[in-house]
Amino acid sequence: GAVVSQHPSWVICKSGTSVKIECRSLDFQATTMFWYRQFPKQSLMLMATSNEGSKATYEQGVEKDKFLINHASLTLSTLTVTSAHPEDSSFYICSARDLGTSTDTQYFGPGTRLTVL
Amino acid sequence: AQSVTQLDSHVSVSEGTPVLLRCNYSSSYSPSLFWYVQHPNKGLQLLLKYTSAATLVKGINGFEAEFKKSETSFHLTKPSAHMSDAAEYFCVVSEDDYKLSFGAGTTVTVRA
Repeated sequence: GAVVSQHPSWVICKSGTSVKIECRSLDFQATTMFWYRQFPKQSLMLMATSNEGSKATYEQGVEKDKFLINHASLTLSTLTVTSAHPEDSSFYICSARDLGTSTDTQYFGPGTRLTVL
Repeated sequence: AQSVTQLDSHVSVSEGTPVLLRCNYSSSYSPSLFWYVQHPNKGLQLLLKYTSAATLVKGINGFEAEFKKSETSFHLTKPSAHMSDAAEYFCVVSEDDYKLSFGAGTTVTVRA
């Protein structure tokens, strides 16, 4: 089946620094990738839709200057958390749509756990 | 607007007994409905998807779900639980197969 990877799987950083998270579709191309945030014991909340070659679309309440998204190729999207603060600590999950199937299924990465000290 | 409510935050079953995870949805359109499973340190995996072709949907690993429009429900079942079924399960709704709205999740524990 289709595989989506994320790197790093976990990261600890100091308050005020920026952190970049990568999302890759390993065996398929994806013009659209999605970034979610999951707090402990809670559900996934869609943060933004990442479109290859164009600007990302952010959900209401998500600061676009805080969470920078770049989708430079059909297999890679990056999420950069700028000037991170402890409240940004969370589990970040990406997903990608496989263009090559008729079901438009989203495949999810394993997630990246961010801890901001 | 689309949303889902998972009625149980935690379900505990004995190995070999049936599993029932309850989900109710709200949608302005004829939605697509999904069940995903999340094992620790692994990505969410699609168990099954309803797209109006048949009300009873069979998925992977012996799971199935029944779409009941009159009850706005999409409950997930499995006749016999296995230890490997212990995980977090999410009911998901989408009105356009694009944006997914997740339920709060149900944690399943399986007792030996």
